[in-house]
Amino acid sequence: DSGVTQTPKHLITATGQRVTLRCSPRSGDLSVYWYQQSLDQGLQFLIQYYNGEERAKGNILERFSAQQFPDLHSELNLSSLELGDSALYFCSSGSGSSYEQYFGPGTRLTVT
Amino acid sequence: GDSVTQMEGPVTLSEEAFLTINCTYTATGYPSLFWYVQYPGEGLQLLLKATKADDKGSNKGFEATYRKETTSFHLEKGSVQVSDSAVYFCALSDRMNTGFQKLVFGTGTRLLVSP
Repeated sequence: DSGVTQTPKHLITATGQRVTLRCSPRSGDLSVYWYQQSLDQGLQFLIQYYNGEERAKGNILERFSAQQFPDLHSELNLSSLELGDSALYFCSSGSGSSYEQYFGPGTRLTVT
Repeated sequence: GDSVTQMEGPVTLSEEAFLTINCTYTATGYPSLFWYVQYPGEGLQLLLKATKADDKGSNKGFEATYRKETTSFHLEKGSVQVSDSAVYFCALSDRMNTGFQKLVFGTGTRLLVSP
């Protein structure tokens, strides 16, 4: 158990809809990272927050957004969903600028 | 940008066989290197890491050596078990201009071990 929790575990929704994925980091970690794992793109970095502020963006679509709250949990919002958004979404947490990241179990999103 | 290339799978072995999964990287600077493992239905677990050239990471019988001259970080295990069946990801840390590190992953290699 990494100490990182993600909810829900599975999510099935229709095209055009909006969903919110939630992540709680390990106790003491200030950084939260979001990654997408899809069959065609592999594992890709989406976005990072540190202590409530966005710090880096990767290959994140404009339809996607995230935030980190004062209690350090983070939410990834996916809107106007398309079939191609079906993927596993992982969050990870780390402390400071350390390279070590600890991953949650992921949320599997299926868009039908 | 930085990238990681790892061998295509699946790799199919019998129990107690020797395992090698090849991984090479392209990076500017000196990244840290990692192997992550993903068991069926689970998230990514850090298996081992190496932070500088010639470092050897090891854990649970798995080993990998950071080879700067060949830009490689091959994963090895002397005797695999059925319980090692999983997907293995090679990754490097890419320092972003914010000072934070994101992970860049290879495509993953599925290992299937039969009794």
